[in-house]
Amino acid sequence: SYVLTQPPSVSVAPGKTARISCEGNKIGTKSVHWYQQKPGQAPVLVIHYDSDRPSGIPERFSGSNSGNTATLIISRVEAGDEADYFCQVWDRSSDHVVFGGGTKVTVL
Amino acid sequence: EAHLEESGGGLVQPGGSRRLSCFVSGFTFSAYSMSWVRQAPGKGLEWVANIKKEGIEKSYVDSVRDRFTISRDNTKNSLYLHMNSLRAEDTAVYYCVRHRAGTGTTFFDYWGQGTLVTVSS
Repeated sequence: SYVLTQPPSVSVAPGKTARISCEGNKIGTKSVHWYQQKPGQAPVLVIHYDSDRPSGIPERFSGSNSGNTATLIISRVEAGDEADYFCQVWDRSSDHVVFGGGTKVTVL
Repeated sequence: EAHLEESGGGLVQPGGSRRLSCFVSGFTFSAYSMSWVRQAPGKGLEWVANIKKEGIEKSYVDSVRDRFTISRDNTKNSLYLHMNSLRAEDTAVYYCVRHRAGTGTTFFDYWGQGTLVTVSS
């Protein structure tokens, strides 16, 4: 089965840029989607199709995907960005949805 | 605006059964594939099962196949998850989610608030 690997945690100072990686075999050939989950809340889609933002998501959120790594980029980080972030792909061979293990972003 | 509301969670003994329901509103339910996604306490997200819009094609994660059954009633705007032979490791918040399908991919654009299932004696 397809596996997505994320770092458990990322720390960033306010106003700086956070980069969250999501590694998978030839992930650049797949579409990657990202979710933000704050404590006690349901996840929210923040990036779809590697780099597109749904309506209502700030421009500070962006993404890239190439080779074996997809990246969620949060620019000008704010205290309100502190949350868990999960990457997700669809594995065509198994018709299964796969999530990464999640990355906790801490704003210093 | 789409709204998804789960119900049916609670405390269940190991080996027991439970049925979760999800009532949706604000969109044409029969036009979308749907899934259940779960999250064990303090853990990450795990996709559990999906069902295509007609209710015929279904897929399951290996750990629940043969124990869980996903179904839907398009006349009632409702999604269900029948869970049998429950184990402690099934303890989780279960989310009802709506699929957005694209070429060679799918993702979840709307989530319910979740319902907690606790499997314990």
